[in-house]
Amino acid sequence: DQQVKQNSPSLSVQEGRISILNCDYTNSMFDYFLWYKKYPAEGPTFLISISSIKDKNEDGRFTVFLNKSAKHLSLHIVPSQPGDSAVYFCAAIEFGGSQGNLIFGKGTKLSVKP
Amino acid sequence: DAGVIQSPRHEVTEMGQEVTLRCKPISGHNSLFWYRQTMMRGLELLIYFNNNVPIDDSGMPEDRFSAKMPNASFSTLKIQPSEPRDSAVYFCASSFLVYSNYGYTFGSGTRLTVV
Repeated sequence: DQQVKQNSPSLSVQEGRISILNCDYTNSMFDYFLWYKKYPAEGPTFLISISSIKDKNEDGRFTVFLNKSAKHLSLHIVPSQPGDSAVYFCAAIEFGGSQGNLIFGKGTKLSVKP
Repeated sequence: DAGVIQSPRHEVTEMGQEVTLRCKPISGHNSLFWYRQTMMRGLELLIYFNNNVPIDDSGMPEDRFSAKMPNASFSTLKIQPSEPRDSAVYFCASSFLVYSNYGYTFGSGTRLTVV
């Protein structure tokens, strides 16, 4: 059973507009949520994270929103740039949990068109 | 820092052959993770080490898979015998802590094809 779900396999956005990537989770014990970006033939790279006690974290063009009651988080990219085209993975971790590791969603492929 | 280094980048082998994937973590990181990426299952954890000791290998699919970390700067993932369904991209990642809100640093992966 997937604990972290990204229900949209792909998203296409025009350059300069907002990209919104969504993620749902089932485990209410997760302590941190992270977003990774992955280019072809490269490993995932850390982008931004948010603590479960926060509802928003911002870093430049990237903002992550957390809605704990809905068990939902989203990544907003404003403005979107062609270089943002990549696969975005949502991940979650429970500190001290039995799994003790990052649990990933299956990813959303973002295409930003010039 | 050169980051997490994996070798080889690509591996094509015949069914039944032994395959060894290698990983050099970032110096100073004491946690190392092996992940596998497939279309069906996404990124899934196979095994992780803390201070060179295997902590959780529950993700290792079968006895055909084994992993070792003989020292802080080297780890191997071995598949013997390999099967076509093992074809995937295998990532190694390292971290200073097992539980980190900055996640892990990943290598570029090894794309394994078993024919």
